[in-house]
Amino acid sequence: AQSVAQPEDQVNVAEGNPLTVKCTYSVSGNPYLFWYVQYPNRGLQFLLKYITGDNLVKGSYGFEAEFNKSQTSFHLKKPSALVSDSALYFCAVRDEVTGGGNKLTFGTGTQLKVEL
Amino acid sequence: NAGVTQTPKFQVLKTGQSMTLQCAQDMNHEYMSWYRQDPGMGLRLIHYSVGAGITDQGEVPNGYNVSRSTTEDFPLRLLSAAPSQTSVYFCASSRTQANYGYTFGSGTRLTVV
Repeated sequence: AQSVAQPEDQVNVAEGNPLTVKCTYSVSGNPYLFWYVQYPNRGLQFLLKYITGDNLVKGSYGFEAEFNKSQTSFHLKKPSALVSDSALYFCAVRDEVTGGGNKLTFGTGTQLKVEL
Repeated sequence: NAGVTQTPKFQVLKTGQSMTLQCAQDMNHEYMSWYRQDPGMGLRLIHYSVGAGITDQGEVPNGYNVSRSTTEDFPLRLLSAAPSQTSVYFCASSRTQANYGYTFGSGTRLTVV
């Protein structure tokens, strides 16, 4: 079975400061990992993914994420937060060995609030 | 490209009524799925399909039916609406290969009274 945990319901950060949104996962085989962002009253938008290769993945809007296999984590980061980054962020995982096409399991989401 | 189109955007139903949420994609994606989003619970998978004629249950399938007669369309049917089905519903599609991310529709906000 595959699962993902986002331990923080909300993260508050001042504009210009670095931000981190945490995600840990559990899979049987190798993980495929994704981050999505949801702005109010909108659908989810793809930010970045880790499939294989370099542990530091760069994505849209200046976000990046670091894959750490020993800690089973895939934390989302940004060096300098903007007020416009305020949104709901979801981590998702798929086990390499899972059947059923491309079935992703999502975390419960972390609300990011960036204040002036 | 329109991407993933969901209709309607908003709907209010009375308990016991039935309805169909529509989802269509124009990207020739093999994989389509339906999720519901509830506060504090993230996205939970209702049903999914890996291609026309093939559907399967997700995490929370009770009270919902799906069919996939074409690659483009994947409607979700509520058989007899209940207040517990009040939620925001998202349709998503992707290529079958695991390294593809999902494209999401804009959602349907459903209230059952």
